[in-house]
Amino acid sequence: GENVEQHPSTLSVQEGDSAVIKCTYSDSASNYFPWYKQELGKRPQLIIDIRSNVGEKKDQRIAVTLNKTAKHFSLHITETQPEDSAVYFCAGEGGYQKVTFGTGTKLQVIP
Amino acid sequence: KAGVTQTPRYLIKTRGQQVTLSCSPISGHRSVSWYQQTPGQGLQFLFEYFSETQRNKGNFPGRFSGRQFSNSRSEMNVSTLELGDSALYLCASSYRDEAFFGQGTRLTVV
Repeated sequence: GENVEQHPSTLSVQEGDSAVIKCTYSDSASNYFPWYKQELGKRPQLIIDIRSNVGEKKDQRIAVTLNKTAKHFSLHITETQPEDSAVYFCAGEGGYQKVTFGTGTKLQVIP
Repeated sequence: KAGVTQTPRYLIKTRGQQVTLSCSPISGHRSVSWYQQTPGQGLQFLFEYFSETQRNKGNFPGRFSGRQFSNSRSEMNVSTLELGDSALYLCASSYRDEAFFGQGTRLTVV
């Protein structure tokens, strides 16, 4: 089955700096890679996703890159703001639409 | 459009008891997945139901079971509760790819 590894587990950045979270996956059949943001006490919510036929996708200050050959994908947040502080989960969707989540990255943006 | 609704929000049970959690998906969503969330363990996949059939299953013991009804509502049951079962249980419904999560049920086993 799919195995998704996520690094780092915690990340502290100064407001205005960039943050990068990296994930690797094992199932070469995986073709959909969403990222979820979970604020304290709230439910996870989709912030951006990418499909295997695309190498990069951007939405304002967030972007995701995918390297299918190396089986890794990354979330990039630029010009970080305090409201970006949250736990971020990457995920890979493989056969039978089974979604496997990474273990999460707690991002802290220091004002 | 109503979101994913989970009941109850909080639950306290004693070791050895059993518990049933409920999840009502977004109207039109036929897939419902369940996850266990504990500090440091992220989101652990329990199982997924699609049109009343279990389509995927995670690596949890048989004490964890679920079902889905014809209206897509799903229930998760945990029998013979252990202290380690204390966690936030999230369900998510989806139509295609994006998963919409409920607020979760916080289960505490004492």
